[in-house]
Amino acid sequence: QKEVEQDPGPLSVPEGAIVSLNCTYSNSAFQYFMWYRQYSRKGPELLMYTYSSGNKEDGRFTAQVDKSSKYISLFIRDSQPSDSATYLCAMSPIARSAGNKLTFGGGTRVLVKP
Amino acid sequence: EPEVTQTPSHQVTQMGQEVILRCVPISNHLYFYWYRQILGQKVEFLVSFYNNEISEKSEIFDDQFSVERPDGSNFTLKIRSTKLEDSAMYFCASSAGGAQGYEQYFGPGTRLTVT
Repeated sequence: QKEVEQDPGPLSVPEGAIVSLNCTYSNSAFQYFMWYRQYSRKGPELLMYTYSSGNKEDGRFTAQVDKSSKYISLFIRDSQPSDSATYLCAMSPIARSAGNKLTFGGGTRVLVKP
Repeated sequence: EPEVTQTPSHQVTQMGQEVILRCVPISNHLYFYWYRQILGQKVEFLVSFYNNEISEKSEIFDDQFSVERPDGSNFTLKIRSTKLEDSAMYFCASSAGGAQGYEQYFGPGTRLTVT
């Protein structure tokens, strides 16, 4: 079983719709969860991070973590064509530590159609 | 807004040659990382660096790889004798640490092509 699994998509939605993305993981030691956005041949751009179970909201983005189910989600409200990108989840075992190695999912490609 | 920068954006080299990839982390950050992403694959951790030494390295980071912080601003990744399978995007990342958080901010990447 892969440590972090993510549906590759593509996920195609009309402009204004809610985009729903998720990752599952197998390592119960993961405590720190992040979502990155990556445009083609560019570096990952940090969107959201959270240390705990529950919801965290930032503008149009909501990150959700369910540690009991080993499942994390990212919701994007009022999606725009500029949100078209690949979304990567990443996680690590120790939140506050030197050498905080991130394990990434494979990414979900999202297309928001005008 | 402060950002991680990387040079060059694209490096083409012949198999067996040495390459040095350069990164300037965000100025007040204390933790530095290298990751790579082979085309169409996941982003993979290579190495983390703190207090002038390697904190952790992956099995990919063998004796052909080394990292250095030669001065107060640059962070470099050296590949001594490149192989075809080293062709990938290489990303540098940094994080502040402490009360400022451990979130990792990535640079735009260097595309390494080994021929």
